[in-house]
Amino acid sequence: QVHLVQSGAEVKKPGSSVKVSCKVFGGTFSSNDITWVRQAPGQGLEWMGGIIPAYRSTSHAQKFQGRITITADGSTSTAYMELRSLRSDDTAVYYCARGGATVTTAWFHWGQGTLVIVSS
Amino acid sequence: EVVMTQSPATLSVSPGERATLSCRASQSVSSRLAWYQQKPGQAPSLLIYDASTRATGIPARFSGSGSGTEFTLTISSLQSEDFAIYYCQQYNNWPRTFGQGTKVEV
Repeated sequence: QVHLVQSGAEVKKPGSSVKVSCKVFGGTFSSNDITWVRQAPGQGLEWMGGIIPAYRSTSHAQKFQGRITITADGSTSTAYMELRSLRSDDTAVYYCARGGATVTTAWFHWGQGTLVIVSS
Repeated sequence: EVVMTQSPATLSVSPGERATLSCRASQSVSSRLAWYQQKPGQAPSLLIYDASTRATGIPARFSGSGSGTEFTLTISSLQSEDFAIYYCQQYNNWPRTFGQGTKVEV
């Protein structure tokens, strides 16, 4: 049984950074796609980027270019998403999700979400 | 990027009725289309992948169809626990994109 557990809520100042973690329990960590999706208050879902740990290859949406880093630590089965230069419109719930062992995959398991509030 | 357009934005139905949700892609995504359900305060959960394959544990009243640019999610007989927001998402092209969601309400 696969289970994703994310780090807790964060309150950040504009211009600062946040790093959200996602620990995967069960299944194979390194060969499966881990992606990050966010949801602003009352809004829809937005794909941010992803990683397949075994390949150390990442992808991300162009709008986050230069601000996002996605990493993975196979020794702890934990993925990380760091977002820099935070703005108020980065306030959202951030989800990690795990897909199949391919880049063209739906996301079968989701973390519980991490609320990030950006406020001065 | 591939724009996913869902219709209707809101669908008002009664328990026991059939619900049909549509999703259109701005270009072909083959069959690389998923449907997710999201209830208030919860993470999304996968219902359908590869356009028509039910995820593990998903009841048979949920079915998906389509390929290319036109997709449909059908809930054959709505149960109380099915009132939620449904999102389609393509994973054929970068960046991955979601529809704006269809809210299924009583």
